[in-house]
Amino acid sequence: AQSVTQLDSQVPVFEEAPVELRCNYSSSVSVYLFWYVQYPNQGLQLLLKYLSGSTLVKGINGFEAEFNKSQTSFHLRKPSVHISDTAEYFCAVSLTGGGNKLTFGTGTQLKVEL
Amino acid sequence: NAGVTQTPKFQVLKTGQSMTLQCAQDMNHEYMSWYRQDPGMGLRLIHYSVGAGITDQGEVPNGYNVSRSTTEDFPLRLLSAAPSQTSVYFCASSKTGQAKNIQYFGAGTRLSVL
Repeated sequence: AQSVTQLDSQVPVFEEAPVELRCNYSSSVSVYLFWYVQYPNQGLQLLLKYLSGSTLVKGINGFEAEFNKSQTSFHLRKPSVHISDTAEYFCAVSLTGGGNKLTFGTGTQLKVEL
Repeated sequence: NAGVTQTPKFQVLKTGQSMTLQCAQDMNHEYMSWYRQDPGMGLRLIHYSVGAGITDQGEVPNGYNVSRSTTEDFPLRLLSAAPSQTSVYFCASSKTGQAKNIQYFGAGTRLSVL
């Protein structure tokens, strides 16, 4: 079975600083990878996804992620964060041949401070 | 364009009571699913449906029933609520059941079982 690990439950960062949110996955078969963001009291919305091709994926709001197959990682980065980026971020995977069932990590709370 | 609509937004139940969480989407999506979100555990799949008349169990189906009589609606039923079902419930939909499709989430239902 597949699994997703987000080692950092909380990441505090000052505004305009860079940030990296880590995600590692485990699967015996190939996967698709996603990052979702959840703003306070809202549902989840897609930030970006990796299906195939270029390992560097750009998403909304200036975020990007890099797929590293050898390290089974899909870390999320932003070069300069804003207060409005304060939210919870979830990494998720689905099996390429397994239907649209997402397996989520436990989430990382990003808190941007002035 | 309403997207995925969940009702109610908040609910308090007593142990043993039953209720139905409603989910409707107006995007003509074939695939719909229910997740529960608990602190430190991310989102876990409860049930899903790949089309009208077809449902299947996810990771944590016990205590929940679903049906899919129309493409638009996918209600989640709690037959006899238990405190362990206190959680935030999210409904999601995607165009098809293919693993690469983006899932669109509702705003959630916050349920407390006393």
